[in-house]
Amino acid sequence: DGGITQSPKYLFRKEGQNVTLSCEQNLNHDAMYWYRQDPGQGLRLIYYSQIVNDFQKGDIAEGYSVSREKKESFPLTVTSAQKNPTAFYLCASSPDTFSGNTIYFGEGSWLTVV
Amino acid sequence: DQQVKQNSPSLSVQEGRISILNCDYTNSMFDYFLWYKKYPAEGPTFLISISSIKDKNEDGRFTVFLNKSAKHLSLHIVPSQPGDSAVYFCAASALNYGQNFVFGPGTRLSVLP
Repeated sequence: DGGITQSPKYLFRKEGQNVTLSCEQNLNHDAMYWYRQDPGQGLRLIYYSQIVNDFQKGDIAEGYSVSREKKESFPLTVTSAQKNPTAFYLCASSPDTFSGNTIYFGEGSWLTVV
Repeated sequence: DQQVKQNSPSLSVQEGRISILNCDYTNSMFDYFLWYKKYPAEGPTFLISISSIKDKNEDGRFTVFLNKSAKHLSLHIVPSQPGDSAVYFCAASALNYGQNFVFGPGTRLSVLP
């Protein structure tokens, strides 16, 4: 089945550790996104990528890094520089960012700092 | 400054009645709008969209209305069902300008049996 797969579903991070959240899509979409959701808040854009080997900062990129070496993969690394990493992280994709198309989401990953 | 606002954090409706969820935006360049439904600990799922060239789009029990002059859109669910209980996000994009989707903070809908 086509879709977006995020892993792991739950992840615990110790202070000072970097962790990487995986996102894979088999929808053949060009654009991919990472969002963060905090309790009672909407979705905030961390990074997005319109094409392989290219990505742009979103509204809250500080403390995060991404790569887009393959069309189907867009991993997010939460670095130790991110002061409040505990949140629900959502990966998404869309055919591109320049047409009236829908953005599709993965199931999300919970990250907790312990 | 929030470009997409959903001023009602929560809404309760009786089963079988109409649910109306509202969304306001400030950026006049927005030309494409979407509604998403989200259950706890899951990713949002797409419900319905509307382009700025239309003022209404209907899909089954869901209808979205767009009032461009007021920069306001609403989602109507008729009749409401208990399974509709979720958080609903409004999203907007200025696709012709290559701007990414901007999401509102969401409204939690509770449909009471």
